[in-house]
Amino acid sequence: GENVEQHPSTLSVQEGDSAVIKCTYSDSASNYFPWYKQELGKRPQLIIDIRSNVGEKKDQRIAVTLNKTAKHFSLHITETQPEDSAVYFCAAIFNQAGTALIFGKGTTLSVSS
Amino acid sequence: EAQVTQNPRYLITVTGKKLTVTCSQNMNHEYMSWYRQDPGLGLRQIYYSMNVEVTDKGDVPEGYKVSRKEKRNFPLILESPSPNQTSLYFCASRLQGNDEQFFGPGTRLTVL
Repeated sequence: GENVEQHPSTLSVQEGDSAVIKCTYSDSASNYFPWYKQELGKRPQLIIDIRSNVGEKKDQRIAVTLNKTAKHFSLHITETQPEDSAVYFCAAIFNQAGTALIFGKGTTLSVSS
Repeated sequence: EAQVTQNPRYLITVTGKKLTVTCSQNMNHEYMSWYRQDPGLGLRQIYYSMNVEVTDKGDVPEGYKVSRKEKRNFPLILESPSPNQTSLYFCASRLQGNDEQFFGPGTRLTVL
């Protein structure tokens, strides 16, 4: 069935370094790829998303890249700060109606100062 | 304030005792969905609803029921809860034609 693989499961960086989280998806027809950030004890919140007709999207220190041929997309966080510490989830939509949103298993990012 | 609300936020119950977790949104969203979140497994979709009286199964629907009698409400029903349904549950909603989902605050359920 449809699947989203996310790596790494944990990532530790020093403040100011960059962090990269990678996801691969199984269905080449997928057309929407959001990234969610979940702080401890809180709800997931959308931080950036990308559609299949775009290769890259940036929002300040956060960027997402999409390689449709290889079926993978990545989250890039530059100049990391302690408040970036959280669990990050990638996801992909697997059907035309947009009802099947499949999540990766998450990456716990720790930024130490 | 535009929001998705869930009640209760925390619940401890015993095996077999029927319970309902309510979800309500005030954004006039057509689409609503329930997820469960377990350590190491991410978020998995339980049920979703495209509009009033239209519901369908997600990835892990066994042991759950839902209903969508009104646009704003999408309750999750556990007729006979079991310990393997101990989890953190999130309700989410979005506008038809818009992919961004808005999540509720979560309900932490423990079934003893």
